[in-house]
Amino acid sequence: DSGVTQTPKHLITATGQRVTLRCSPRSGDLSVYWYQQSLDQGLQFLIQYYNGEERAKGNILERFSAQQFPDLHSELNLSSLELGDSALYFCASSVSGTSNYGYTFGSGTRLTVV
Amino acid sequence: LAKTTQPISMDSYEGQEVNITCSHNNIATNDYITWYQQFPSQGPRFIIQGYKTKVTNEVASLFIPADRKSSTLSLPRVSLSDTAVYYCLVGEGTGGFKTIFGAGTRLFVKA
Repeated sequence: DSGVTQTPKHLITATGQRVTLRCSPRSGDLSVYWYQQSLDQGLQFLIQYYNGEERAKGNILERFSAQQFPDLHSELNLSSLELGDSALYFCASSVSGTSNYGYTFGSGTRLTVV
Repeated sequence: LAKTTQPISMDSYEGQEVNITCSHNNIATNDYITWYQQFPSQGPRFIIQGYKTKVTNEVASLFIPADRKSSTLSLPRVSLSDTAVYYCLVGEGTGGFKTIFGAGTRLFVKA
């Protein structure tokens, strides 16, 4: 157990629907990062939050949004889902806002859009 | 962005030492170099991190030359369970909040 909790582990939904993925960072970590990993692809950075504020955006679609709550947990909202959104979505956390102290990853949410 | 370049794949045999080199020509002064290991359908796992010279832990060693434009992850005596994708990661620098994972190196260990 890495200390980063992601729920749900698996999600199957239909095209056009909206889903919410949840992440609880490791205790003491202030930063949360979201990554998308499609089949046999590398990790694509989506967005980062630090202590409740958005810090960086990567290749995140306009249909996707995220937020970090006062208790530091984060949610990634995916709407108007398309087949191509099927992927593993990972959340990672770190104590600071940079990568210089390493990330701790959760076990991911596998999203299947049918 | 501190882009990294790694070999796409490597093969090895059990018991051998494996060295994976990563190039990061644009590394910034304050950046650390971090390596992660990822098994299929699992999140990446931190292996080792360093700034310069050599770092060693119970799992691996990391060699960083003086110019820091490359780094080499060394896995001693690999086993079948070391078959995974290995990512080299370099921070974006001071205040760098966005870190890009490259394609990684797919290591396949054979019996």
